[in-house]
Amino acid sequence: EPEVTQTPSHQVTQMGQEVILRCVPISNHLYFYWYRQILGQKVEFLVSFYNNEISEKSEIFDDQFSVERPDGSNFTLKIRSTKLEDSAMYFCASSEYLAGGTSHEQYFGPGTRLTVT
Amino acid sequence: GQSLEQPSEVTAVEGAIVQINCTYQTSGFYGLSWYQQHDGGAPTFLSYNGLDGLEETGRFSSFLSRSDSYGYLLLQELQMKDSASYFCAVRDPSNTGKLIFGQGTTLQVKP
Repeated sequence: EPEVTQTPSHQVTQMGQEVILRCVPISNHLYFYWYRQILGQKVEFLVSFYNNEISEKSEIFDDQFSVERPDGSNFTLKIRSTKLEDSAMYFCASSEYLAGGTSHEQYFGPGTRLTVT
Repeated sequence: GQSLEQPSEVTAVEGAIVQINCTYQTSGFYGLSWYQQHDGGAPTFLSYNGLDGLEETGRFSSFLSRSDSYGYLLLQELQMKDSASYFCAVRDPSNTGKLIFGQGTTLQVKP
């Protein structure tokens, strides 16, 4: 069964450093997302991406965050200057296109645990 | 804005039936989904209700009442492996596919 993959599984970085989290969505999906989950809390939406551009972003997704789809398979989240409060699990998700828009089912990757020290 | 309320914890015994409720307040509505998450792993899609009524998928069923802004997930014949967190989520009406999650309900299944 197709699945979303993410690398690395765990990233430790120092405050102020840049990190890039990588995702390979399911190949025939057209909608891509990043979510984050701080330990013990709910999953929070960060950004959605469709047709090679951001379609929506949350207030969490400030100028320190950016996303790219550099080729036909990868989808990346970059944090330019990490802060302690960026420590969280980051999930990539994708969904397929159905008539009228995106499918209601999103497929999540296993996540990258980001620890900022 | 969007907000969802669900109980923080539920405990049940193996073989029993448990219902996890979810109420929501949204500026628009485009369907209620349920996701399962084991120990901080990937959320996994369980069920979706776009219209009122019951959707059944094996041991899991989900119900929606749009007039009451209420839904629930029903888990039958509980198994130990069902111990996990369960999140209800509404799809944002902006049609970007954005999901707004509830705080999650931790289900503990005891022998």
